[in-house]
Parts: sequence; C-alpha cells; structure tokens
Amino acid sequence: GENVEQHPSTLSVQEGDSAVIKCTYSDSASNYFPWYKQELGKRPQLIIDIRSNVGEKKDQRIAVTLNKTAKHFSLHITETQPEDSAVYFCAAISRSSASKIIFGSGTRLSIRP
Amino acid sequence: DGGITQSPKYLFRKEGQNVTLSCEQNLNHDAMYWYRQDPGQGLRLIYYSQIVNDFQKGDIAEGYSVSREKKESFPLTVTSAQKNPTAFYLCASSIGIGSGNQPQHFGDGTRLSIL
Repeated sequence: GENVEQHPSTLSVQEGDSAVIKCTYSDSASNYFPWYKQELGKRPQLIIDIRSNVGEKKDQRIAVTLNKTAKHFSLHITETQPEDSAVYFCAAISRSSASKIIFGSGTRLSIRP
Repeated sequence: DGGITQSPKYLFRKEGQNVTLSCEQNLNHDAMYWYRQDPGQGLRLIYYSQIVNDFQKGDIAEGYSVSREKKESFPLTVTSAQKNPTAFYLCASSIGIGSGNQPQHFGDGTRLSIL
C-alpha cells in the first residue's frame, strides 16, 4: 500500500544552524505534501505545504523542496531557534486516495542552546 | 484550529466500559478523521468519513466505532473490545474531495486512560 518514510527519527542541532528532514513516498499519484509541527501534548499544526507542480516553496526560515522523479521531499529550517524544538511530520496525499492522507513516522527535532 | 472542538480533554475508562469522544467542526468541511497517537509515536488512522452518513475503516479500526449523522459531528466510540485504549486521540477535518487536495486541520485532542 501507500507509504511515506521519514528520516531521521531524531535530530539535534545547535541553535542558529540548519535542520533538514527528508521523506520519500511510494505512490506516484501523490500530488500534495503538507508538513506539520507538533509540540508536546498539542495538536499537529500545518507549517508549510507544496503541490506537485512546484519544486520549491519558502516561508521565512522554512522551505520545502520536492523531487517528483525521485519521489522525495524535504523540509529545511534555517537559523534554528529554541521554539523550533518539536516533532515534525511529513505527509502525502494522492489523487487516487480520495482525501486519505499518509503520514510519515515523525522527526523529533531538538535545538541545543 | 479554533474550528475543531474535541471533548473531553481528558477521559478515563473503566474495564468493560464503552466511552465516546466528541468531535465537532464549524469549518463546513466534508471530510473528517480520527487518529490515535501513542507516546513518542506517529499518527495512526482509525476511521475517516468523506461525507455525511458514510465512513471508512482506517488502519486500526478494530475496537472502535464511529457515526456521521451530521456534517459537523464525527463522534468516536472506544468499545470494550479495544484492549489497550490508552492514547492521545486526535480528530481532524479537511475540505474534502472535489476541492483539490487540501490540508487537514486538527483539534486539541483527547487523552484517554484506563482506570
């Protein structure tokens, strides 16, 4: 069935450095890729998304890139800050899945002061 | 998101008891979802509904039941058949099919524990 793999499962970076989280998907019909941030005990919140007709999207310190040929997409956070510490989930939605979203397993990002 | 309300925030279940988790949305979304999240784990889909009076099993539907009698409401019942119900339950909604793929918006969650 459809699958989204996410790496790494944990990531620790020095404050001010960049963080990169990578995901691969299996369903070539996937055409929408949202990223969620979940702080401890709270709801996942959408932070950025990208559609398959775009290769890159940026919003301030956050950017997402998509390589449709390789079926992978990545989240890039620059100039990391303590409030970036959270669990990040990638996801993919396919035209053929009738609105069902497939989530990655999550990356726990820790920012070292 | 203020448009999705889950209640209660905390819930305790006794042995052999069914409990119902409420999820209401005022976003006029067609699609609604229930996820289970165990500590330090990802999101697992329990049930989803694309339209009123219709719902589909997700990956871990055993021991759970849902109904979708109204567009804005999608309650989840955790039955006594679910032997390990302790988890964080998240409800979500999205505009639905026919509108292009759109993100899901989540409620604040219900934390269920066994007494």
